[in-house]
Amino acid sequence: EVQLLESGGGLVQPGGSLRLSCAASGFTFSDYTMTWVRQAPGKGLEWVSAISGRGDITTFNTDSVKGRFTISRDNSKNTLYLQMNSLRAEDTAIYYCAKALLRLRDGCDYWGQGTLVTVSS
Amino acid sequence: QSALTQPPSASGSPGQSVTISCAGASSDVGANSYVSWYQQHPGKAPKLMIYEVNKRPSGVPDRFSGSKSGNTASLTVSGLQADDEADYYCSSYTVSSNLVFGGGTKLTVL
Repeated sequence: EVQLLESGGGLVQPGGSLRLSCAASGFTFSDYTMTWVRQAPGKGLEWVSAISGRGDITTFNTDSVKGRFTISRDNSKNTLYLQMNSLRAEDTAIYYCAKALLRLRDGCDYWGQGTLVTVSS
Repeated sequence: QSALTQPPSASGSPGQSVTISCAGASSDVGANSYVSWYQQHPGKAPKLMIYEVNKRPSGVPDRFSGSKSGNTASLTVSGLQADDEADYYCSSYTVSSNLVFGGGTKLTVL
């Protein structure tokens, strides 16, 4: 059974940093592109970033997270990460990690339950 | 990258059909066949319902179907059931190798 478990969310002050983790199980982690999608309270889904199976290709929603967020993965630990720096109030959201069917363009067939990030003083 | 445009709400009675549109541009929906649809119940994670415009993942009822014409994609839910009441989001792969989502449509089963 595929499982994705996010952690690392919490309350952080504006300008601060957080690192989210997503522990994956139930599939060959290194074979699949992984992605982060966020959802602000009461709002719609917003794609944040994605990383290829081998970790050599990364893409970002440059409009919203350019230069502030870094995506990475450790295939030996079956874990996906999102390093978030210079956090702003508008980054407040539930952050979901999701597994692509194969590649980002194919859509995401499994999602975690999300971790809440709140940016506030 | 602008979000795809979806109607904020849609509704139908049990047993009826409803279609939700997703308007994009030649740089996303119109550029390829990589449109997906997700269902999200309150407080839950999204669930993939349609991928590559009209393909259903295993376990998704064939009451759900997708299509595309030009820069606009559509999701049709036939034989509406109470459990279909949820938020629905479209997404598209773009020419910049990114993903873009629609603003979401709240489907109400009357």
